Amino acid sequence: QVRLVQSGAEVKKPGASVKVSCKASGYTFISYGISWVRQAPGQGLEWMGRISEYSGKTMYTQNLQGRVTMTTDTSTNTAYMELRSLRSDDTAVYYCTRDPLGSGYFDYWGQGTLVTVSS
Amino acid sequence: DIQMTQSPSSLSAYIGDRVTITCRASQSISTYLNWYQQKPGEAPKLLIYTASTLEYGVPSRFSGSGSGTHFTLTISSLQPEDFATYYCQQSYSTRTFGQGTKVDVK
Repeated sequence: QVRLVQSGAEVKKPGASVKVSCKASGYTFISYGISWVRQAPGQGLEWMGRISEYSGKTMYTQNLQGRVTMTTDTSTNTAYMELRSLRSDDTAVYYCTRDPLGSGYFDYWGQGTLVTVSS
Repeated sequence: DIQMTQSPSSLSAYIGDRVTITCRASQSISTYLNWYQQKPGEAPKLLIYTASTLEYGVPSRFSGSGSGTHFTLTISSLQPEDFATYYCQQSYSTRTFGQGTKVDVK
Protein backbone atom coordinates (compact mmCIF):
# COMPACT_ATOMS: atom_id res chain seq x y z
CA GLN A 1 0.00 0.00 0.00
CA VAL A 2 1.06 3.60 -0.56
CA ARG A 3 2.77 5.17 2.44
CA LEU A 4 4.45 8.51 3.06
CA VAL A 5 6.42 8.54 6.31
CA GLN A 6 7.80 11.86 7.52
CA SER A 7 10.62 12.73 9.87
CA GLY A 8 10.00 13.71 13.48
CA ALA A 9 9.11 16.97 15.16
CA GLU A 10 11.63 19.82 15.18
CA VAL A 11 12.20 22.85 17.38
CA LYS A 12 14.16 25.68 15.80
CA LYS A 13 15.19 29.20 16.71
CA PRO A 14 14.20 32.18 14.57
CA GLY A 15 16.59 32.57 11.63
CA ALA A 16 17.51 28.88 11.53
CA SER A 17 16.68 26.34 8.83
CA VAL A 18 14.73 23.08 8.93
CA LYS A 19 14.74 20.13 6.55
CA VAL A 20 11.82 17.70 6.67
CA SER A 21 11.98 14.32 4.95
CA CYS A 22 9.22 12.19 3.47
CA LYS A 23 9.97 8.56 2.60
CA ALA A 24 7.63 7.01 0.06
CA SER A 25 6.79 3.35 -0.42
CA GLY A 26 4.21 1.20 -2.17
CA TYR A 27 4.39 2.92 -5.58
CA THR A 28 6.84 3.98 -8.28
CA PHE A 29 8.26 7.11 -6.66
CA ILE A 30 9.64 8.75 -9.79
CA SER A 31 6.25 8.59 -11.54
CA TYR A 32 4.48 10.95 -9.13
CA GLY A 33 5.03 14.49 -8.00
CA ILE A 34 5.18 15.54 -4.36
CA SER A 35 3.50 18.64 -2.96
CA TRP A 36 4.08 20.09 0.48
CA VAL A 37 1.23 21.59 2.51
CA ARG A 38 1.45 23.27 5.90
CA GLN A 39 -1.05 24.06 8.62
CA ALA A 40 -0.41 26.59 11.38
CA PRO A 41 -1.98 25.78 14.77
CA GLY A 42 -5.76 26.12 14.57
CA GLN A 43 -5.56 27.40 10.99
CA GLY A 44 -6.31 26.15 7.50
CA LEU A 45 -4.19 24.44 4.87
CA GLU A 46 -1.55 26.28 2.83
CA TRP A 47 0.00 24.78 -0.28
CA MET A 48 3.75 25.47 -0.31
CA GLY A 49 4.91 24.03 -3.60
CA ARG A 50 5.46 20.98 -5.77
CA ILE A 51 8.34 18.98 -7.14
CA SER A 52 7.58 17.23 -10.41
CA GLU A 53 7.87 13.60 -11.31
CA TYR A 54 10.74 12.66 -13.62
CA SER A 55 12.26 16.14 -14.13
CA GLY A 56 12.36 17.30 -10.52
CA LYS A 57 11.16 20.72 -11.67
CA THR A 58 9.86 22.80 -8.78
CA MET A 59 7.21 25.45 -8.36
CA TYR A 60 6.69 27.33 -5.12
CA THR A 61 4.01 29.57 -3.74
CA GLN A 62 5.02 33.18 -4.20
CA ASN A 63 5.18 34.10 -0.52
CA LEU A 64 7.81 31.40 0.19
CA GLN A 65 9.97 32.02 -2.89
CA GLY A 66 13.60 32.35 -1.88
CA ARG A 67 13.15 30.60 1.46
CA VAL A 68 11.99 27.11 0.45
CA THR A 69 13.69 24.34 -1.52
CA MET A 70 12.13 21.00 -2.42
CA THR A 71 14.24 18.09 -3.58
CA THR A 72 14.00 14.35 -4.06
CA ASP A 73 16.44 11.45 -3.78
CA THR A 74 15.26 8.77 -6.15
CA SER A 75 17.80 6.27 -4.82
CA THR A 76 15.97 6.22 -1.47
CA ASN A 77 12.48 7.29 -2.60
CA THR A 78 12.64 10.26 -0.28
CA ALA A 79 11.43 13.82 -0.74
CA TYR A 80 12.79 16.76 1.24
CA MET A 81 11.53 20.23 2.07
CA GLU A 82 13.97 22.80 3.43
CA LEU A 83 12.73 26.10 4.83
CA ARG A 84 15.26 28.80 5.73
CA SER A 85 15.25 32.02 7.75
CA LEU A 86 12.56 30.62 10.00
CA ARG A 87 10.12 32.97 11.71
CA SER A 88 7.61 32.35 14.46
CA ASP A 89 4.77 32.29 11.91
CA ASP A 90 6.42 29.28 10.23
CA THR A 91 5.34 27.23 13.25
CA ALA A 92 3.07 24.62 11.70
CA VAL A 93 2.49 20.99 10.86
CA TYR A 94 4.12 20.25 7.51
CA TYR A 95 2.65 17.52 5.30
CA CYS A 96 4.05 15.86 2.22
CA THR A 97 1.46 14.66 -0.26
CA ARG A 98 1.45 12.59 -3.42
CA ASP A 99 0.41 14.83 -6.30
CA PRO A 100 -0.21 12.77 -9.46
CA LEU A 101 0.79 14.29 -12.79
CA GLY A 102 -2.03 16.22 -14.39
CA SER A 103 -4.41 15.65 -11.50
CA GLY A 104 -3.86 18.60 -9.20
CA TYR A 105 -5.18 16.72 -6.19
CA PHE A 106 -3.40 15.13 -3.25
CA ASP A 107 -4.36 11.48 -2.96
CA TYR A 108 -2.00 10.34 -0.18
CA TRP A 109 -0.64 12.31 2.75
CA GLY A 110 2.19 11.85 5.20
CA GLN A 111 1.45 11.87 8.91
CA GLY A 112 2.72 15.44 9.32
CA THR A 113 5.78 16.95 10.99
CA LEU A 114 5.40 19.66 13.62
CA VAL A 115 7.98 22.40 13.27
CA THR A 116 8.06 24.85 16.16
CA VAL A 117 9.96 28.11 15.80
CA SER A 118 10.67 29.70 19.15
CA SER A 119 13.44 31.63 20.81
CA ASP B 1 -3.41 34.06 -7.52
CA ILE B 2 -6.80 32.37 -7.45
CA GLN B 3 -8.64 32.86 -4.16
CA MET B 4 -11.05 30.25 -2.82
CA THR B 5 -13.84 31.24 -0.45
CA GLN B 6 -15.89 28.69 1.46
CA SER B 7 -19.21 29.26 3.17
CA PRO B 8 -20.21 28.90 5.84
CA SER B 9 -17.06 28.90 7.97
CA SER B 10 -18.82 26.62 10.41
CA LEU B 11 -22.17 24.92 10.80
CA SER B 12 -24.00 22.82 13.34
CA ALA B 13 -26.15 19.91 12.21
CA TYR B 14 -28.00 16.83 13.48
CA ILE B 15 -27.24 13.25 12.55
CA GLY B 16 -29.23 12.51 9.41
CA ASP B 17 -29.28 16.10 8.16
CA ARG B 18 -28.47 17.04 4.60
CA VAL B 19 -25.46 19.36 4.66
CA THR B 20 -24.21 21.59 1.85
CA ILE B 21 -20.93 23.50 1.79
CA THR B 22 -20.18 26.07 -0.89
CA CYS B 23 -16.84 27.00 -2.43
CA ARG B 24 -16.37 29.95 -4.77
CA ALA B 25 -13.33 30.72 -6.89
CA SER B 26 -12.16 34.26 -7.69
CA GLN B 27 -12.02 33.31 -11.39
CA SER B 28 -13.20 30.41 -13.50
CA ILE B 29 -11.41 27.14 -12.73
CA SER B 30 -13.51 24.83 -14.93
CA THR B 31 -13.85 21.67 -12.81
CA TYR B 32 -10.34 21.75 -11.30
CA LEU B 33 -11.77 21.56 -7.81
CA ASN B 34 -11.13 18.99 -5.08
CA TRP B 35 -12.58 18.40 -1.60
CA TYR B 36 -10.89 17.09 1.54
CA GLN B 37 -12.04 16.06 5.01
CA GLN B 38 -9.84 16.61 8.05
CA LYS B 39 -10.45 15.32 11.57
CA PRO B 40 -8.57 16.72 14.58
CA GLY B 41 -5.00 15.45 14.82
CA GLU B 42 -5.16 13.73 11.45
CA ALA B 43 -3.94 14.48 7.94
CA PRO B 44 -6.59 15.55 5.45
CA LYS B 45 -8.25 12.90 3.31
CA LEU B 46 -9.25 13.29 -0.33
CA LEU B 47 -13.01 12.93 -0.80
CA ILE B 48 -13.82 14.25 -4.27
CA TYR B 49 -11.70 15.32 -7.24
CA THR B 50 -12.43 17.21 -10.45
CA ALA B 51 -15.52 18.63 -8.78
CA SER B 52 -17.68 15.53 -8.79
CA THR B 53 -15.62 12.29 -8.88
CA LEU B 54 -15.79 10.33 -5.66
CA GLU B 55 -12.43 9.02 -4.47
CA TYR B 56 -12.30 5.23 -4.09
CA GLY B 57 -13.69 4.08 -0.76
CA VAL B 58 -15.52 7.32 0.06
CA PRO B 59 -19.18 6.73 1.02
CA SER B 60 -21.78 7.61 -1.59
CA ARG B 61 -23.52 10.03 0.78
CA PHE B 62 -20.80 12.50 -0.26
CA SER B 63 -21.26 14.26 -3.58
CA GLY B 64 -19.80 17.25 -5.35
CA SER B 65 -21.03 19.49 -8.12
CA GLY B 66 -20.28 22.72 -9.91
CA SER B 67 -18.03 24.26 -12.51
CA GLY B 68 -16.56 27.64 -13.30
CA THR B 69 -16.60 29.60 -10.05
CA HIS B 70 -19.30 27.93 -7.93
CA PHE B 71 -19.02 24.50 -6.33
CA THR B 72 -20.82 22.53 -3.64
CA LEU B 73 -20.07 19.57 -1.42
CA THR B 74 -23.16 17.78 -0.16
CA ILE B 75 -23.49 15.16 2.55
CA SER B 76 -26.90 13.59 2.00
CA SER B 77 -27.37 12.17 5.49
CA LEU B 78 -24.82 13.27 8.08
CA GLN B 79 -23.23 10.44 10.06
CA PRO B 80 -21.31 10.65 13.36
CA GLU B 81 -17.99 10.09 11.58
CA ASP B 82 -18.63 13.08 9.28
CA PHE B 83 -18.08 15.70 11.96
CA ALA B 84 -14.88 17.27 10.71
CA THR B 85 -13.48 20.25 8.81
CA TYR B 86 -13.87 20.30 5.03
CA TYR B 87 -11.60 22.10 2.58
CA CYS B 88 -11.93 22.84 -1.10
CA GLN B 89 -8.78 23.17 -3.23
CA GLN B 90 -8.31 24.44 -6.78
CA SER B 91 -5.74 23.05 -9.19
CA TYR B 92 -6.44 25.22 -12.25
CA SER B 93 -3.45 27.46 -11.53
CA THR B 94 -0.91 26.17 -9.02
CA ARG B 95 -2.92 25.10 -5.97
CA THR B 96 -4.96 27.00 -3.37
CA PHE B 97 -7.17 25.88 -0.51
CA GLY B 98 -10.33 27.43 0.84
CA GLN B 99 -10.28 28.49 4.47
CA GLY B 100 -12.28 25.46 5.64
CA THR B 101 -15.76 24.69 6.96
CA LYS B 102 -16.10 23.08 10.35
CA VAL B 103 -19.10 20.77 10.75
CA ASP B 104 -20.06 20.01 14.34
CA VAL B 105 -22.92 18.41 16.19
CA LYS B 106 -26.02 20.44 16.98
